[in-house]
Order: sequence, then C-alpha cells, then structure tokens
Amino acid sequence: GENVEQHPSTLSVQEGDSAVIKCTYSDSASNYFPWYKQELGKGPQLIIDIRSNVGEKKDQRIAVTLNKTAKHFSLHITETQPEDSAVYFCAASKSTSGTYKYIFGTGTRLKVLA
Amino acid sequence: DAGVTQSPTHLIKTRGQQVTLRCSPKSGHDTVSWYQQALGQGPQFIFQYYEEEERQRGNFPDRFSGHQFPNYSSELNVNALLLGDSALYLCASIGLAGDTGELFFGEGSRLTVL
Repeated sequence: GENVEQHPSTLSVQEGDSAVIKCTYSDSASNYFPWYKQELGKGPQLIIDIRSNVGEKKDQRIAVTLNKTAKHFSLHITETQPEDSAVYFCAASKSTSGTYKYIFGTGTRLKVLA
Repeated sequence: DAGVTQSPTHLIKTRGQQVTLRCSPKSGHDTVSWYQQALGQGPQFIFQYYEEEERQRGNFPDRFSGHQFPNYSSELNVNALLLGDSALYLCASIGLAGDTGELFFGEGSRLTVL
C-alpha cells in the first residue's frame, strides 16, 4: 500500500549545526510534499512545501529537496536554534478527482542542544 | 484571518460512550479532513468532506462518522468508544493552490477514554 518512510526517528544536534530529515514515498502519483512542525500540545504547522515540478526550495534557514526518480525528499535546517526543537513530519499528497490524499511519515523528534 | 479552530480542546469519556468533536475551517476553505494522531505517531487519515459529503475515507470503522454543514464547518462523531480511541483528533482544512491542496491543521481535540 501507499506509505511514507521517515528517518531518523530522533535527532540531536548542537545549536548552530545543521539537521537533515529524510523521507521516501511509494506512490509515484504523489505531486505535493509538505513538511510540518509540531510542538508539544499543538497541531502540526506547515513550515515548507515542494511540488513535483521543482527540485529544491528554500525559505531562510529551511530548505527542502526532492528527487522524483528515487522518490526521496529531505528537509534541511541550517544554523539550528533551540526553538527548532519539535517533532517534524513529512507527507506525500496526490489529487484524485478533486480530493486530496495525504500520507504522513512517522515523525522525527529533533532536539537542539544549547 | 482565523485559522482552523477546534472544540473542545480536551475531553474525557468512558468506554462505550459517544463523542462529538467540532471544527471550523480556515477562512475561504471549503474542504475539511479529520485525522487521528496517537501518541508518538503521525496523523492517520479518517475522512474528508467537501460539499457536505464524505469524499474519501481512511481505514477506520463505521463507529467513526462525520458531517459537514453549509458553512463548511464539520463534526466528527465516534460511537461506542474504545480505550484505543484515545488520541489527538486533528481537523485540517485545505486551500487550493493550483492542482494541489495545502493542508492547514487546527490545534486538535485531545480525547482520553477511560
């Protein structure tokens, strides 16, 4: 069936270092790949996304890359700060007859050590 | 611009009871999805509503049902509650961007079943 694998499940980095989270999806029809940040007790917040016609997208310290051939996409956070500590989820989405289906990864708990 | 709002934020029920959760989508959004997020897991898709009809459904039993109203708000009903239904229930609304749908989450309703 359709699934999204996400690695690693936990990641600890020193403040100022970079963090990379990787996802692999199975459904080649997926065309939209968002990333969400979820802080304790809150709902997931969309932080960046990429569409299948783009290979890379940046927004300040955050970037996402997509390799459609390999069905991989990754989140890169540079110059990490303590407030980046949270759980991050990737997702793969496709549109079918006007409906939108999202499959989420299992999450990565990022800890930024001061 | 109000985002996705959900109520109640927390509730406690006992096994066998029924629960109703409510959601108002982000302004301008007409499609609502519901997700179940167990502790330490990614969101699992329950169903999606558009034009007051269920358009897609995930792998959840019939005990889970929903409704969408003419003002696009939505309800999630769960009957005959089980201990395993304890989770964070997330509502998300979808904003169209070309041929993709951007998913925006509310803060969730945390259900505890005793």
